[in-house]
Amino acid sequence: DAGITQSPRHKVTETGTPVTLRCHQTENHRYMYWYRQDPGHGLRLIHYSYGVKDTDKGEVSDGYSVSRSKTEDFLLTLESATSSQTSVYFCAIKGLEGTGELFFGEGSRLTVL
Amino acid sequence: GENVEQHPSTLSVQEGDSAVIKCTYSDSASNYFPWYKQELGKGPQLIIDIRSNVGEKKDQRIAVTLNKTAKHFSLHITETQPEDSAVYFCAPTIRNTNAGKSTFGDGTTLTVKP
Repeated sequence: DAGITQSPRHKVTETGTPVTLRCHQTENHRYMYWYRQDPGHGLRLIHYSYGVKDTDKGEVSDGYSVSRSKTEDFLLTLESATSSQTSVYFCAIKGLEGTGELFFGEGSRLTVL
Repeated sequence: GENVEQHPSTLSVQEGDSAVIKCTYSDSASNYFPWYKQELGKGPQLIIDIRSNVGEKKDQRIAVTLNKTAKHFSLHITETQPEDSAVYFCAPTIRNTNAGKSTFGDGTTLTVKP
C-alpha cells in the first residue's frame, strides 16, 4: 500500500463548472503525477510535480491546472469542465529515487454532462 | 516524444497456456522498462520491470525480455490462471530526468478462460 488517497472517487458535474480532484500521499515522496485514462488510450500524463510549488505540464495539459502547496497534496483543477474531460483520473507517486516505479491511487471517475 | 506501441490489444488464452505481450518504443534514451497490471476498478500496479543493462528478468510465472537494439520488450506469462485476467500496460521510461518520464502503451486486455 503506497499510501495514496484520491478524492472524490466519483463525481458527476455539468459542463462549465469548476472541478477539483485531490491526491493525498502519506509517503513524503517528491514526485507526484496526474494521469487520465480513456478507452484505447492507456494513461496519458496531464501534469506532474517535482516538489512543493514546482509543477510542469504533461502531454495533455490543456484545460487543466495543478497546485502543490504541501508535499502530501497534489490538486488537479478543471477550471471549466467540458464533456471531453469525462475520464478516469489517476494520481501517482514515484518510488524511491532512481527506480522509476510508479505507485497509483485508486482513481477518480469524473463524468461531465 | 516517445512513441509506444503495444500488441496485441486483446488476448484470450486457455488456463495453463502462455501469454506474450510485446511493447515497441521509439526513444533510445529509455532506460527503464516496467509492466503494470490493472484489475477492474483499480489503479495500475507494477508486476515486473527491467533495466537497460539486463536482457531478461524472471519472477515465478512472469518474465520480461528486452531487446534494446530493436527497441522492444515483452511480457511473458506462463501457466496462466484466471486471476491473470486484467489489462496490462508497458511504460518505457527515461529515468534520471527531472521526474522520470514514462509513456504508457494503450494496454492489452488479457482474458484467461478456465
